[in-house]
Amino acid sequence: EDQVTQSPEALRLQEGESSSLNCSYTVSGLRGLFWYRQDPGKGPEFLFTLYSAGEEKEKERLKATLTKKESFLHITAPKPEDSATYLCAVRTPLEAGGTSYGKLTFGQGTILTVHP
Amino acid sequence: NAGVTQTPKFRILKIGQSMTLQCTQDMNHNYMYWYRQDPGMGLKLIYYSVGAGITDKGEVPNGYNVSRSTTEDFPLRLELAAPSQTSVYFCASSWGGGGGYTFGSGTRLTVV
Repeated sequence: EDQVTQSPEALRLQEGESSSLNCSYTVSGLRGLFWYRQDPGKGPEFLFTLYSAGEEKEKERLKATLTKKESFLHITAPKPEDSATYLCAVRTPLEAGGTSYGKLTFGQGTILTVHP
Repeated sequence: NAGVTQTPKFRILKIGQSMTLQCTQDMNHNYMYWYRQDPGMGLKLIYYSVGAGITDKGEVPNGYNVSRSTTEDFPLRLELAAPSQTSVYFCASSWGGGGGYTFGSGTRLTVV
């Protein structure tokens, strides 16, 4: 069974205090690791996709990295507007051994609060 | 370009009532999905569709039904509402070639 675990469950930072969020996974047939941002009362918003170990993606103050067992979302000099829940998801085939692009299995999320 | 549109945004049902959650996308995506999100539990896949006329069960399908008669629409039906179905429901779509899903804004359902 595919499993995705995010840590910590909640993280409080001061504005400008850099940190990292962790996403560890156990899957068969990884076809991508995704990061989403979710604001209260809204649907998840796509941030990044990573496909292979060693890959990195950046967007403003966020950088996502991937190893064979986990991914990190690094937040550099965060601002209060970065406060949100960050979700990690892995994409695996819809059927075991299947060739479809698959489904997403989500972690439980990390609630990030950045204080001014 | 509206993306993924879900209606209603909020609904309160009594135990045993039925309802349909509507989902429409205008991006010509072939894949569509229904997820439910419970506090601290992450998003769980209920049903998915890889194209018009093709649907299949996800992780938590019991108590729900879906249909996909067109590319654009993917309604989720609750036949006999139960308190365990109190949740926030998200519809999403994707182009099968990879990339991220586009999510709707969700429907918050309470069963009392």
